[in-house]
Amino acid sequence: DGGITQSPKYLFRKEGQNVTLSCEQNLNHDAMYWYRQDPGQGLRLIYYSQIVNDFQKGDIAEGYSVSREKKESFPLTVTSAQKNPTAFYLCASRGLGGETQYFGPGTRLLVL
Amino acid sequence: GENVEQHPSTLSVQEGDSAVIKCTYSDSASNYFPWYKQELGKGPQLIIDIRSNVGEKKDQRIAVTLNKTAKHFSLHITETQPEDSAVYFCAASPGTGGFKTIFGAGTRLFVKA
Repeated sequence: DGGITQSPKYLFRKEGQNVTLSCEQNLNHDAMYWYRQDPGQGLRLIYYSQIVNDFQKGDIAEGYSVSREKKESFPLTVTSAQKNPTAFYLCASRGLGGETQYFGPGTRLLVL
Repeated sequence: GENVEQHPSTLSVQEGDSAVIKCTYSDSASNYFPWYKQELGKGPQLIIDIRSNVGEKKDQRIAVTLNKTAKHFSLHITETQPEDSAVYFCAASPGTGGFKTIFGAGTRLFVKA
């Protein structure tokens, strides 16, 4: 938590709908990350961004998209191509020259 | 590719006992090893970390040990309390030399009162 906020806390998606999860940080961190966590499982990397206007795919990027237009913001869009989106989504950030990733409180995405 | 194995997946201890969680990493370039605690419905919180130039680090009831030769590191919690019940993740990263951190699958710790 700390300087990283995620909204909403809960999000419901209908079939065929794109939804966007918000992640904002006021830590002046350069790197930001999105992870997916399924029940009883570890963290899987979706996308990460080292600097503004640049981002790389993680291990499970299919069906997701991101943008990094501002240093403090890294929104994640779950597209209709993601057939099993129900999960807990975590955003994290890390400072330039730092080692530690700090996590936000998470967004739980559910499918109606 | 890089991998971090974490054991056990579930651990149940009596209040006041010690708990030990072990991790093994594969990437020789890893030199920074954080541990996170995740409570139900919340994001992971950093509880302690260790760097490769150190073999052991302690913070009150929590300690971490690192064996770089064997690529093993462990979390030790002494005098466990019910509020220690949570999921614990170990992780390995190349520190300031890279941006990706590899996480273990997590250990669910139950502390019985």
